[in-house]
Amino acid sequence: DVKVTQSSRYLVKRTGEKVFLECVQDMDHENMFWYRQDPGLGLRLIYFSYDVKMKEKGDIPEGYSVSREKKERFSLILESASTNQTSMYLCASSLHYGYTFGSGTRLTVV
Amino acid sequence: QKEVEQNSGPLSVPEGAIASLNCTYSDRVSQSFFWYRQYSGKSPELIMSIYSNGDKEDGRFTAQLNKASQYVSLLIRDSQPSDSATYLCAGYNQGGKLIFGQGTELSVKP
Repeated sequence: DVKVTQSSRYLVKRTGEKVFLECVQDMDHENMFWYRQDPGLGLRLIYFSYDVKMKEKGDIPEGYSVSREKKERFSLILESASTNQTSMYLCASSLHYGYTFGSGTRLTVV
Repeated sequence: QKEVEQNSGPLSVPEGAIASLNCTYSDRVSQSFFWYRQYSGKSPELIMSIYSNGDKEDGRFTAQLNKASQYVSLLIRDSQPSDSATYLCAGYNQGGKLIFGQGTELSVKP
């Protein structure tokens, strides 16, 4: 089974901090994604990557950046955390069809 | 029209009954569809995929795809309290991204 691992389950950060969310997959998948999920808003795509060093903006990239230096690792960066970035962050990977999600990181910005 | 639409629910069924979850999609969505189950506080888990018109059965779950009417459904037979979760429908858009519905909350009452 594909395993997608997110480094932190819960995270509390202060406003203005730079925050790194790490995601690692172990099945050599080309495609990786970062979503945030909020009540009533569903899953919203932040950034995605189809290859190493490649990144594409999703639907809500403002305030975020990403890094994909190695195929298995896709990092989401909050340049200067704000309270409206408090959310559940989900990483996913895929080869062809269907996504496998990590366990999620619940980020609270205070 | 949203690309993938679901009724948010909640849908409440008694234990042992058939739960029917529905999803409609627009012309901008291709005809490969996925159903994810998400328990409260957890990440989405892929439970069914369907690519062809008709029914696909897996244990107590049946996915149905009707291309003419542009809907996809998930039937859960002999519903159990452990099936209580939010169910997300997803399909690929023309840009190759997986688009998720808002999810339907299912509650199975003992």
